[in-house]
Order: sequence, then structure tokens, then C-alpha cells
Amino acid sequence: DTAVSQTPKYLVTQMGNDKSIKCEQNLGHDTMYWYKQDSKKFLKIMFSYNNKELIINETVPNRFSPKSPDKAHLNLHINSLELGDSAVYFCASSQGQSNQPQHFGDGTRLSIL
Amino acid sequence: AQSVSQHNHHVILSEAASLELGCNYSYGGTVNLFWYVQYPGQHLQLLLKYFSGDPLVKGIKGFEAEFIKSKFSFNLRKPSVQWSDTAEYFCAVNGKGGGNKLTFGTGTQLKVEL
Repeated sequence: DTAVSQTPKYLVTQMGNDKSIKCEQNLGHDTMYWYKQDSKKFLKIMFSYNNKELIINETVPNRFSPKSPDKAHLNLHINSLELGDSAVYFCASSQGQSNQPQHFGDGTRLSIL
Repeated sequence: AQSVSQHNHHVILSEAASLELGCNYSYGGTVNLFWYVQYPGQHLQLLLKYFSGDPLVKGIKGFEAEFIKSKFSFNLRKPSVQWSDTAEYFCAVNGKGGGNKLTFGTGTQLKVEL
């Protein structure tokens, strides 16, 4: 069974469109994250939710809006997509905020045309 | 603010060679340290972690890392690499008491040749 699953795996779309990426974890964790990995493989945290509450919100454009309907899901909606949004987006989860290791999903490769 | 530096961006080794990847961090307090590996086209997987105690930690696949507090370092080592170790390696840190915000280094691309 996949522990942290993201959909879709690939997303190709045009500038200006709105798109969503979904993430689900079946590990029973209560904290979930979104990371962005750019073309140089640099990974940077975007958001973190603990029990559906936003706890980390890095300097990310307002076009990015995370939503956590329950602690097993964390979705990412992006409005008005720009060329610079092209990247691989990784979802992760961990148990609590007690500095436990994070488990990562397979990533969503977003390409903006 | 916490930061991580990985000085080796690309490393090429022959099979059976020894590996050491450098990682230095910057943070004013106590830290938790991690090494993650990303095989081509795959997600990040945890290799090993240091929270406290013995500064020499052993991870999966024969990897180990040593935390040297005085040098703010957490270098990754493996005595004898295999072709299957070809991957991207990321060092990461989070400061204790600061939530679980992981800060990653820029990664080291390791290529092992037969």
C-alpha cells in the first residue's frame, strides 16, 4: 500500500489556468506538508498542516492555497499558473510536530506551457 | 534562521570506492539532522537521522553519518559504494522547538560507475 499518494503524477497545462494537486496519507500521521523542488533539485517547504490547522506558511504567492479537509488529506490549489510554477511538488507527512522523520510522496511534475 | 550547505554538488565514483558527502548547517540551537536519498524518478527516502545520543548514526544500505557539533557538520559516509547508490542525496535540518520545518541542502548528485 502506498503510504503517501499524490495525484496526478504529471500535470501539463497552460499559463493562466487553475489546477489542483491532491495528497492522501494512510500512515495515521497528523501533520502534512507541501514542498516544491525546482529544476536544480532544490527542495523548499511551502506549507504544513497539523490536524487541519495551518502551522507553516512560507513566503509563497497567494495564488497557492492549501486545503486540508481532514488530517489524512492535504490538497494544493494553484490559481493563474505562471511559467515559474513549473516544478515537482512533493507532499509529505509525519507524526506530530515532534521532529519525527517525514515520509514523502512520489511527487507531481507540473509543467507550464 | 536555519540553513544547510552541501559543498559537493556532483560526485563520480567507481564501484567499491569509499564515499563521504559533506553537510554543514547553521542554527543557533539544538538540531535534528537527516539524510534523504532520491533515486532517479522516485520520491525522497530517509537514509538516517540524528536526534540525540551517539553522534555516529547508522542508516539503511550501509550508510552512516557522524554529527560533529563543534564543526556544525553531519557528513554522510559509506565504505564501499555500489552502482545502485547512484542518486541525489539531501542533507536536512530542523531546529528543536521550531516545529517540524525541514530545511534542505541543495543536494549532491552521486554517480557510481561500474
